[in-house]
Amino acid sequence: DAGVIQSPRHEVTEMGQEVTLRCKPISGHDYLFWYRQTMMRGLELLIYFNNNVPIDDSGMPEDRFSAKMPNASFSTLKIQPSEPRDSAVYFCASRYRGREQYFGPGTRLTVT
Amino acid sequence: AQSVTQLGSHVSVSEGALVLLRCNYSSSVPPYLFWYVQYPNQGLQLLLKYTTGATLVKGINGFEAEFKKSETSFHLTKPSAHMSDAAEYFCAVSERGLTGGGNKLTFGTGTQLKVEL
Repeated sequence: DAGVIQSPRHEVTEMGQEVTLRCKPISGHDYLFWYRQTMMRGLELLIYFNNNVPIDDSGMPEDRFSAKMPNASFSTLKIQPSEPRDSAVYFCASRYRGREQYFGPGTRLTVT
Repeated sequence: AQSVTQLGSHVSVSEGALVLLRCNYSSSVPPYLFWYVQYPNQGLQLLLKYTTGATLVKGINGFEAEFKKSETSFHLTKPSAHMSDAAEYFCAVSERGLTGGGNKLTFGTGTQLKVEL
């Protein structure tokens, strides 16, 4: 299997622009997680899905952030409008039932 | 709420020396415990995990960790460091079970391991 795939790997955008991050989980995995990694706050869970349904979005920082999972093989994390403090590495991870989470390579977002 | 403390944000060892990365957790009941490794510009990779059973857990690349309930610790060790071990290591906890908190990993702040010749 190709593992968890994220795109783009790097994104540079200007403040106020919309940013969409994409994730393709490992085939057959029924859980999908979005994390954010920053120097100040470390790794934070933003939201996770089970069978395409959002289960817990308590980590989403504010209404500017939204996530969707229209089908089992695709998820998006959208930031609108983006702000410089959103600059971070965003990871997607997937899991099959109770087994460990497999992380993607991440998307490094820079908002200027 | 659960929390994880990793003592030492940077650890430096000589090649061939013992690696010891410290992790302490705070939880009302024994949680599930994990160690992940992150190489530069890559995602996290699971090294090992403790869920139940034997408290000494062996993982990939020669690493192992021991769950000590009395000390609320889950320190990561490797007898002999290799240059390729240089990376950032994260300890994480989750609640037991597969629902609710059992799905959420809480990570420590990470320890950067440097291996010198």
